[in-house]
Amino acid sequence: KNQVEQSPQSLIILEGKNCTLQCNYTVSPFSNLRWYKQDTGRGPVSLTIMTFSENTKSNGRYTATLDADTKQSSLHITASQLSDSASYICVVSATSSGNTGKLIFGQGTTLQVKP
Amino acid sequence: EAQVTQNPRYLITVTGKKLTVTCSQNMNHEYMSWYRQDPGLGLRQIYYSMNVEVTDKGDVPEGYKVSRKEKRNFPLILESPSPNQTSLYFCASSAKGGGVMNTEAFFGQGTRLTVV
Repeated sequence: KNQVEQSPQSLIILEGKNCTLQCNYTVSPFSNLRWYKQDTGRGPVSLTIMTFSENTKSNGRYTATLDADTKQSSLHITASQLSDSASYICVVSATSSGNTGKLIFGQGTTLQVKP
Repeated sequence: EAQVTQNPRYLITVTGKKLTVTCSQNMNHEYMSWYRQDPGLGLRQIYYSMNVEVTDKGDVPEGYKVSRKEKRNFPLILESPSPNQTSLYFCASSAKGGGVMNTEAFFGQGTRLTVV
């Protein structure tokens, strides 16, 4: 069964600190892995997209890593800001013959950045 | 501005009263889909469409219908809503399916539906 598991479920950090969110997946056939940021009451917004051949990808203070062998990914946030408070969702794309766009979502990690 | 627009943003309805949630995108995207988001479950795909007049079931299609008569619109129809369809709904679009590298999915703002 295709699954995406994220940890921790929630996290509280102080402004300016770094943090790392984890994602483990069992998805086949794997196409790409994405990290999304979802502010409360808003739709998810893409942060990074990586294929199996990419080990790391950055978007400003966000850096995602991917280990396709162990099927693990992480999202590292550097020098956190209050605006980073949101839910971070790991999403894996699986390609099947009938649906080229299937996205499998993790449950998300809720990050709260405190002043 | 590239966007996916859903309406309404909030809706409270009674059991059995048919409703439609509209979704429109201005990016000429081929692929559109509907998701529901429930606490502890993440987003789950309801229906998707790979192009005009081409739709198919996602993981949780029961109780829902969709249509894709034109490229920009992809309405979600609940013929007879029930309380277990109370959820937060998102429409998304992308140029191609998510299996195509660097095909970013754009999400609408969401529709919070309550069925009493």
